[in-house]
Amino acid sequence: DIQMTQSPSTLSASVGDRVTITCRASQSISSWLAWYQQKPGKAPKVLIYKASSLERGVPSRFSGSGSGTEFTLTISSLQPEDFASYYCQQYNTYPRKFGQGTKVEIK
Amino acid sequence: EVQLVESGGGLVQPGGSLRLSCAASGFAFSTYDMNWVRQAPGKGLEWLSAIHRSSDFTHHADSVKGRFTVSRDNARDSLYLQMNSLRDEDTAVYYCARGRDTNGWYDLWGQGTLVTVSS
Repeated sequence: DIQMTQSPSTLSASVGDRVTITCRASQSISSWLAWYQQKPGKAPKVLIYKASSLERGVPSRFSGSGSGTEFTLTISSLQPEDFASYYCQQYNTYPRKFGQGTKVEIK
Repeated sequence: EVQLVESGGGLVQPGGSLRLSCAASGFAFSTYDMNWVRQAPGKGLEWLSAIHRSSDFTHHADSVKGRFTVSRDNARDSLYLQMNSLRDEDTAVYYCARGRDTNGWYDLWGQGTLVTVSS
């Protein structure tokens, strides 16, 4: 099975900061990676698919990059509504796996 | 409105069974692969099961293989998860999710249904 490792687990940042979250796969997944945002008590929402494609309706301050085993999610200028948890997910093979999550907190 | 609505959660004793349902509306359900994902209290997301749009294949996580079974009824626009031999560690919010592009990423999620396994 492919394992997904996110870092950091928690990130403290201020409004306007540039934020980067890293996701590493235990083996190559090409570009078959998605990023999700989840707010407390709500279902996850997809932000990025195929490592760098922005889902329709998602603000352009979100971007994704990487291929193979290392990926990043970047928020160019953190907004108040961006304080949430973020998860990566590989869809190269079954079983699908999510990273353990990164909680973005207010500094 | 395009949506997924889960139902069937509740309190069940260890060793018991429960069947979750996910009703789809507003889109051509039969043309999408579907999935179940759960989230234990205070924990991350765990993918559980996937089913092909025509039920040609299913996949399950090792943690539920042999205990949970995913199925669907395209005539009723519905997805199901039959859960048997439930354990304390199965306590979680269960989400159904629509797969995009041959079940790649999940672009539509239900609101979730809570399953609590406790004596």
